[in-house]
Amino acid sequence: DIVMTQSPDSLAVSLGERATINCKSSQSVSSTSNNLNFLTWYQQKPGQPPKLLIYWASTRESGVPDRFSGSGSGTDFTLTISSLQAEDVAVYYCQQYYDLPYTFGQGTNLEIK
Amino acid sequence: EVQVLESGGGLVQPGGSLRLSCAASGFSFSNYAMTWVRQAPGKGLEWVAAISVTGDNTYYAGSVRGRFTISRDNSKNTLYLQMNSLRVEDTAVFYCAKDGPGTSNPQGYFDSWGRGTLVTVSS
Repeated sequence: DIVMTQSPDSLAVSLGERATINCKSSQSVSSTSNNLNFLTWYQQKPGQPPKLLIYWASTRESGVPDRFSGSGSGTDFTLTISSLQAEDVAVYYCQQYYDLPYTFGQGTNLEIK
Repeated sequence: EVQVLESGGGLVQPGGSLRLSCAASGFSFSNYAMTWVRQAPGKGLEWVAAISVTGDNTYYAGSVRGRFTISRDNSKNTLYLQMNSLRVEDTAVFYCAKDGPGTSNPQGYFDSWGRGTLVTVSS
């Protein structure tokens, strides 16, 4: 199974500042044949189901604010929130869908400093 | 509006069985692969099983293979998860999720989620 490791486990950022969450896979989740990165990011607020933010590593889901962006390829990926808002407090998960079983990172808890 | 609504959770003894249902609306259910993801209390997300648009192809996590069966009824816009030989470690909120567009087999990312149904396995 592909192991997904996020860092940090917890992050506190001031309102309006940049938040960066990293995700590393135990093997590449990028396809060399079609240049696709099989990596997605979800946001989960307390008591709610996960919400899709980013897929194909950098494609923003419809309706997701443009302060959220994803980047990376191969084994190293990043979710960036350019200017943290109060409503962004949540746990963020990366997930690979390059190979079965699909696997998630352990989650990063994002709080306001 | 896309909606998926899970039901069927509850308290069951170890070794028991339970069938979860997921009623879909607001999209063409028969055109999308579907998946189940679970979350143990206070823990992270774990993918459980996925199914192709026709139901011909099914996929399972190793932890549930041989005990859980995913199925769908496109005439009823409903996804199912039959869970047998339940263990204490199966205790979790089970989410039904719609797969991303474009393929008959699971794409692997999930663009709409239900609110989940809690399964508790305890004696």
